[in-house]
Amino acid sequence: ELKVEQNPLFLSMQEGKNYTIYCNYSTTSDRLYWYRQDPGKSLESLFVLLSNGAVKQEGRLMASLDTKARLSTLHITAAVHDLSATYFCAVDDLTGNNRKLIWGLGTSLAVNP
Amino acid sequence: DAGVTQSPTHLIKTRGQHVTLRCSPISGHKSVSWYQQVLGQGPQFIFQYYEKEERGRGNFPDRFSARQFPNYSSELNVNALLLGDSALYLCASSLRSNTGELFFGEGSRLTVL
Repeated sequence: ELKVEQNPLFLSMQEGKNYTIYCNYSTTSDRLYWYRQDPGKSLESLFVLLSNGAVKQEGRLMASLDTKARLSTLHITAAVHDLSATYFCAVDDLTGNNRKLIWGLGTSLAVNP
Repeated sequence: DAGVTQSPTHLIKTRGQHVTLRCSPISGHKSVSWYQQVLGQGPQFIFQYYEKEERGRGNFPDRFSARQFPNYSSELNVNALLLGDSALYLCASSLRSNTGELFFGEGSRLTVL
């Protein structure tokens, strides 16, 4: 059974600092997604990583995927308050005839002035 | 183009009642998936439908059912509501059955009293 673990679950940062969120998963998959969720809101797609070594960047966020290590990272550069949200990673479970995402518990990020 | 639309956005029910949640996918998307997100956790897969056929079902009791209509919209039904069914119910659509990015609606927030 595919399991997805994120750490840390809670992260309090100062503006201007850098930090990395980690996402480990337990079985083979080469499709990983990062989503952002603001309180009471739905899920906003940030990155789609589809192959080993994939790296994508958008603004102050950069995501990478190492399928051999079953690890993805979301790196935050020079954090700003607007990045405060919960960040989820999700992995495609490719077993069976259906398609479902298995999600981590999320990392609740607070960026403080 | 409209994104994934869900209705209602909020609703309150009492234990034992039933509820119907509705979802319209992005135009041209034939796959609809339903996820349950309990407060403080990642989403959990409930169902996937593709071309009006059920493709997969998560670990949810038979009180949960769904269907997809010829126009690819979908309904999620929950019978005999329990307090633990209180959650944000998210609908996601994708172009194909087992690949491609999932696009989420704003969700239906169900409170069971």
